[in-house]
Amino acid sequence: DAGVTQSPTHLIKTRGQQVTLRCSPKSGHDTVSWYQQALGQGPQFIFQYYEEEERQRGNFPDRFSGHQFPNYSSELNVNALLLGDSALYLCASSRPLWKETQYFGPGTRLLVL
Amino acid sequence: AQSVSQHNHHVILSEAASLELGCNYSYGGTVNLFWYVQYPGQHLQLLLKYFSGDPLVKGIKGFEAEFIKSKFSFNLRKPSVQWSDTAEYFCAGGDGGSQGNLIFGKGTKLSVKP
Repeated sequence: DAGVTQSPTHLIKTRGQQVTLRCSPKSGHDTVSWYQQALGQGPQFIFQYYEEEERQRGNFPDRFSGHQFPNYSSELNVNALLLGDSALYLCASSRPLWKETQYFGPGTRLLVL
Repeated sequence: AQSVSQHNHHVILSEAASLELGCNYSYGGTVNLFWYVQYPGQHLQLLLKYFSGDPLVKGIKGFEAEFIKSKFSFNLRKPSVQWSDTAEYFCAGGDGGSQGNLIFGKGTKLSVKP
């Protein structure tokens, strides 16, 4: 049973560029959440997708956008990259029932130069 | 505003010592609470969770946590740590009654000396 997978594992970009990160949820899961984990900090919620729509959003600017596909996989897009966007980006998947646990992927480490 | 705070940034223990990591939350209404662990080079894994019922929650690998509503706390405990428990531990809270976002503490790094 494959867990949550993310690609790529590492990425280097320069300021102003755009980046797309990808996530495949755990088998049987249809809800995907994205988190940003800066160095020395806990993960911070970006947004959550369910049924191909953004269901909840954290305190992140519109430069951060996402998408969920019919197969439940998801993308996180960040436009106009800033140095401060350098972080580990985590994807978590779950089933939509409210007592379900979120399972995390290994993350994509983004470095913005 | 909702928040989760962890008291200790870095804890160093010898093997067989007892462990208690502090976590306090600030939520209005019902809260779901979690402890996640991140072993070196691995992804976040769930240790245990509390939604309702018995405030003493047992998780994997001998960990347990106690929900004390009057103190807004959800401390993680283990009676005897092992070198393999070396990891970073995150406390997280979620709004009870919804399957929404988690708010994480900043994490506590645990180093266990053999």
